[in-house]
Amino acid sequence: EVQLLESGGGLVPPGGSLRLSCAASGFTFSGHAMSWVRQAPGKGLEWVSGISGSGGATYYAPSVKGRFTLSRDNSKNTLYLQMNSLRVDDTAVYYCAKDQAAAVWSNFDYWGQGTLVTVSS
Amino acid sequence: QSVLIQPPSASGTPGQRVTISCSGSSSNIGSNTVNWYQQVPGTAPKLLIYSNNQRPSGVPDRFSGSRSGTSASLAISGLQSEDEADYYCAAWDDGQVGGVFGGGTKLTV
Repeated sequence: EVQLLESGGGLVPPGGSLRLSCAASGFTFSGHAMSWVRQAPGKGLEWVSGISGSGGATYYAPSVKGRFTLSRDNSKNTLYLQMNSLRVDDTAVYYCAKDQAAAVWSNFDYWGQGTLVTVSS
Repeated sequence: QSVLIQPPSASGTPGQRVTISCSGSSSNIGSNTVNWYQQVPGTAPKLLIYSNNQRPSGVPDRFSGSRSGTSASLAISGLQSEDEADYYCAAWDDGQVGGVFGGGTKLTV
């Protein structure tokens, strides 16, 4: 059974940093691209960043480029999102999503339950 | 403002057929496939349609998708109360070199 378990969310002041993790199980982790998708309170879905199965390719939404860094450790079946220079509008539930293919963006066939990040003073 | 444009709401009665549109441009829908996701409030999204018109196993054939030019649509026939949810279209955007979602459509049954 595929499971994606996010952790690392919490309350952080503007300008602060946070690292999210997504522990994956039930599939061959290195064979699938992974992404983070976020949802601000009462708002729609926003794709944040994606990484290929090998980790060799990463992509970012314009809103987070230069502030967020996506990485993965295939030996630990874990995805990471390092978030720096956090802003109030980064407040959202962050979902970890598994891609059906090894290349970024085929379709997200499994999602985690999400972790809440709140940026506030 | 989302890159992909969806109507904010749609509605229908049980048994009816409803369609939800998704309008994009040549850099996204016009050159890449479209996926659709269903999200019941308070839960994680679920893949509903991929590659424009393919259903994952377990998704009823009441749900269908299509793409034409720079637009796509999701059709739900034989509407049921459990279909009440938010629906999102998504595609890769060659200009942004990243994924984009529609703003979402809240379906009321």
